Amino acid sequence: DQQVKQNSPSLSVQEGRISILNCDYTNSMFDYFLWYKKYPAEGPTFLISISSIKDKNEDGRFTVFLNKSAKHLSLHIVPSQPGDSAVYFCAASASRSGGSNYKLTFGKGTLLTVNP
Amino acid sequence: EADIYQTPRYLVIGTGKKITLECSQTMGHDKMYWYQQDPGMELHLIHYSYGVNSTEKGDLSSESTVSRIRTEHFPLTLESARPSHTSQYLCASSELGTTNEKLFFGSGTQLSVL
Repeated sequence: DQQVKQNSPSLSVQEGRISILNCDYTNSMFDYFLWYKKYPAEGPTFLISISSIKDKNEDGRFTVFLNKSAKHLSLHIVPSQPGDSAVYFCAASASRSGGSNYKLTFGKGTLLTVNP
Repeated sequence: EADIYQTPRYLVIGTGKKITLECSQTMGHDKMYWYQQDPGMELHLIHYSYGVNSTEKGDLSSESTVSRIRTEHFPLTLESARPSHTSQYLCASSELGTTNEKLFFGSGTQLSVL
């Protein structure tokens, strides 16, 4: 059973517009969420994270919003650039489970294509 | 900046061969992980380690084995490769003891077993 779901396998936007990538989770123990960006044949690179004590975290063009009641988070990229074209993975962890059991659970990813 | 290295980047090998995928990190991280990922799918944890001489199996069953003799080195071995092992293998590391930690990933090894 998938605990982290990214229901849109792909998203296409025009350069300069906003990209919105969505992620839903089912495990109420999750309290820390991360977004990773991955190019083909490369490893994922960390993009931005948010703790459950916040509902928004911003870093330059990237903003993550968390709606705990809906168990939903989204990544906004404004303005989108062609170099942002990649697969974006949402990941979650339950820090209260203890450091020795810490694990990240990933979604299947969303392929973002930003057209010039 | 993360310094975690995987070799080889690409490997094409015949069925039945023994292979070792190398992973090294220079950040002094205690925790290391191996994930397996197929196109369009999530990353699946197959092995992890919390330090020297510590290895655990992950959520996804794997026929591979790992060892952790040195802090910086976490190789993965397949004794007899099969076509079903074709996948991308990603090594990662993080600091032990932090609650909201992030993983640093290597560039991955794309394995193709013919």
